[in-house]
Amino acid sequence: QSVLTQPPSASGTPGQRVTISCSGSSSNIETNYIYWYQQLPGTAPKLLIYRNDQRPSGVPDRFSGSKSGTSASLAINGLRSEDESDYYCAAWDDSLSGHVVFGGGTKLTVL
Amino acid sequence: EVQLLESGGGLLQPGGSLRLSCEASGFNFRQYAMSWIRQAPGKGLEWVSSIDNGPGPTNYADFVKGRFTILRSDSKSTVYLHIYDLRPEDTAVYYCAKGLAGAVTGPDLMDFWGQGTLVTVSS
Repeated sequence: QSVLTQPPSASGTPGQRVTISCSGSSSNIETNYIYWYQQLPGTAPKLLIYRNDQRPSGVPDRFSGSKSGTSASLAINGLRSEDESDYYCAAWDDSLSGHVVFGGGTKLTVL
Repeated sequence: EVQLLESGGGLLQPGGSLRLSCEASGFNFRQYAMSWIRQAPGKGLEWVSSIDNGPGPTNYADFVKGRFTILRSDSKSTVYLHIYDLRPEDTAVYYCAKGLAGAVTGPDLMDFWGQGTLVTVSS
């Protein structure tokens, strides 16, 4: 069981807007930044969003992140076939001695 | 260009040990925290351990239970993960990742990831 909760799957058609949720608690999402990683099939994860809503250089502005309370969301506007991938949220968790926690991942299918 | 090259994986027997290495290039290694994250076949990502710059504090996931040790050599731009008493549930691709800053903590997690090295534990 992952500490952060994501829907196992999501889907959309090209051009649509899709959102992926990530639910946590007061010890992680509520008090720390959320990160989003994209893992294309057979490849290493790639940083998509950091510190809730910041995009690294090279990440299209179609991708955006937001956070409210103990939940966060990743939004993808203008969905494209190459967005078909697994998406993971992550955050620092202040419980125990502190550690990184991940969501279970959401597999996005572009129909 | 940031590059992280993991090595040391393979097929190992339960109860054995191994050392994973991750050689970094393309950035000032000594300034950044480094982490190991693993992914069992068909499963999600699981953080294993991080080591701050300095070398500073280390941090481990609860499941490690003293069987893993993370180390770094700034002179070799390399981070290591020693795994002892290997168990079948340690079977996974092990990724090393660069920290966004000098410490993996609240504001700063991992940014760039290597391609990973597969560890298979089976008799």
